Order: sequence, then C-alpha cells, then structure tokens
Amino acid sequence: GAVVSQHPSRVICKSGTSVKIECRSLDFQATTMFWYRQFPKQSLMLMATSNEGSKATYEQGVEKDKFLINHASLTLSTLTVTSAHPEDSSFYICSAGTGGEDYGYTFGSGTRLTVV
Amino acid sequence: SQKIEQNSEALNIQEGKTATLTCNYTNYSPAYLQWYRQDPGRGPVFLLLIRENEKEKRKERLKVTFDTTLKQSLFHITASQPADSATYLCALDIGGNMLTFGGGTRLMVKP
Repeated sequence: GAVVSQHPSRVICKSGTSVKIECRSLDFQATTMFWYRQFPKQSLMLMATSNEGSKATYEQGVEKDKFLINHASLTLSTLTVTSAHPEDSSFYICSAGTGGEDYGYTFGSGTRLTVV
Repeated sequence: SQKIEQNSEALNIQEGKTATLTCNYTNYSPAYLQWYRQDPGRGPVFLLLIRENEKEKRKERLKVTFDTTLKQSLFHITASQPADSATYLCALDIGGNMLTFGGGTRLMVKP
C-alpha cells in the first residue's frame, strides 16, 4: 500500500532555532500534500496545503513566514518551523492523497516537536 | 458556524460487544465522509470512506452509515477486541481534496 514517510519522529530544540520536518511519498507521486498540527487530546488541524512547484496555501491564522513549506518534488514536502518557541511544541503530521476516493489519505507517522 | 462533533468522552466496552461511535456535523454538505483510526503518538490510518449517496458501507467487522438528512455518521465495530482500542476520527471532505476532522472518540475495549 501507499506509504508516507515522515522524519524525524521526535525532535527537541532550543527556543529561537529552526526545525525542518520532511515528508516523503515512497511509492507514489504526490502533487499535493497536507500539513496538520495536533495538540494533546485535540484533533488534527489543517495548517497548509503543499503544492508541488508552487506556493503553499495556508489556513487562516497560520503564519506563512513562521511555517515555511517547500514542495520541490513530487515525492518530498518539507515544513520548517522557524524561530521556534515553546508554544510551537506540538505533534505535526503530513498526509498525501493516494488517488481515488476509496483509499482515503495516507498519513505520515508524525513528528513530536518539543521546544525548550 | 461549521462543526464536526464526536463524543469526547471515552467509550468503554467489553470484548465481543459492538462499539458504536457517532459523528455529527452542521453547516457542511460533504460529498463523502471518512473514518480513521489513530493510535497514541502515531498518524491516523484510513479505515472507510462513505459517499453522500451511500447509506451504509461495510469492511470486515466495520460498518459505517451516513445520514445526510440527520447530518450524522455512525461507525460500528462488531465483535470488538482489545486491539481495537484507539481513537477514532471522522473526517469530512470540504472540497479541494481537503479534509476537516472531528475531535475523535477514544475507544477502550476491555478483555
């Protein structure tokens, strides 16, 4: 089946530094990937839609200059949290459609970001 | 305002019983609705998709119903097992291949 690989699974960084999270589709091409954030005991909140070869589309309230998204190829999208602060600590998850409504979307395993 | 509501309280059932989870929504007209399973610290895993013109869909021990008049979907797990313990999320299509998720319901199946 379709696999989306997300790295790293966990990262701890100091306040003020930047962190890059990678999302790769391993056996299919993804012109569109989605980035979500999930706080403890809450549901997934869509942050942005990553489009290959063009600018990402951000949801209302998400700072595009803080959460930089690059989708340079059909199999790789990256999310960079710039100048991270403790309030950015969260679980970040990417997903990609695998084609066909019957297959839903494949999600990465998520990245637990802790900013200290 | 638009809302997707799932019971935020955990559902505790005995092994072998049928678990029924509810997803209610307002001010949406989704073309389809999906159900996902999420284990702690992991990304969601797709389970089932049901379209607006479908009343019911089954997959092994799973059954999903979709009532667009009531704006409600029910998710059933028959002959539940402890391994079914997880959080279950419903998600609505909101166009442009985007999904919006409910808050999820945690299911605990006791042996």
